[in-house]
Amino acid sequence: GDSVTQMEGPVTLSEEACLTINCTYTATGYPSLFWYVQYPGEGLQLLLKATKADDKGSNKGFEATYRKETTSFHLEKGSVQVSDSAVYFCALSDRNNAGNMLTFGGGTRLMVKP
Amino acid sequence: IAGITQAPTSQILAAGRRMTLRCTQDMRHNAMYWYRQDLGLGLRLIHYSNTAGTTGKGEVPDGYSVSRANTDDFPLTLASAVPSQTSVYFCASSEQANQPQHFGDGTRLSIL
Repeated sequence: GDSVTQMEGPVTLSEEACLTINCTYTATGYPSLFWYVQYPGEGLQLLLKATKADDKGSNKGFEATYRKETTSFHLEKGSVQVSDSAVYFCALSDRNNAGNMLTFGGGTRLMVKP
Repeated sequence: IAGITQAPTSQILAAGRRMTLRCTQDMRHNAMYWYRQDLGLGLRLIHYSNTAGTTGKGEVPDGYSVSRANTDDFPLTLASAVPSQTSVYFCASSEQANQPQHFGDGTRLSIL
């Protein structure tokens, strides 16, 4: 079945540091890939997405490239801010899945210190 | 503001009791979902509905039931709550299945 694996946290960085959160996936079909962000006490919000190989999703300074050859969708940001502190979830949606469900990774907590 | 409303925000419940978590969306989305979020496990799909009048089982459906009588509402019922159902429950919706999902703020449920 489909699965998503992302690096365990917490990840602690100083403000303006570079961020990479690794995400790899396995899927039987042709998935779309997503990054969601969850701020404390809130639900998940879509951060960015990519629907086919080599697509790059980007939003709020974050970006991720759909790499089919390495089955990866790593999240990157060149300079993090304290306000980026949150939990980040990588997810996939497989068109071949009858339920069209999102399969989530376990989440990575990011803490950015001033 | 358009979005998803979940109620209650939190609840403490005795084991064996029946509980219904409410979810309402005003975006006229066709698809709706219920997830539970547990530490280290991410979110797991309980049930989904691709359109009003239809429902389907997700990854962890046992002990839960749903109904989708209309487009806006998608309640989740625990017929007889057990402590392992202690979790944070998120309702989500999308315009169509396989499109990005919008999430509510969650219901924190504790079963004693």
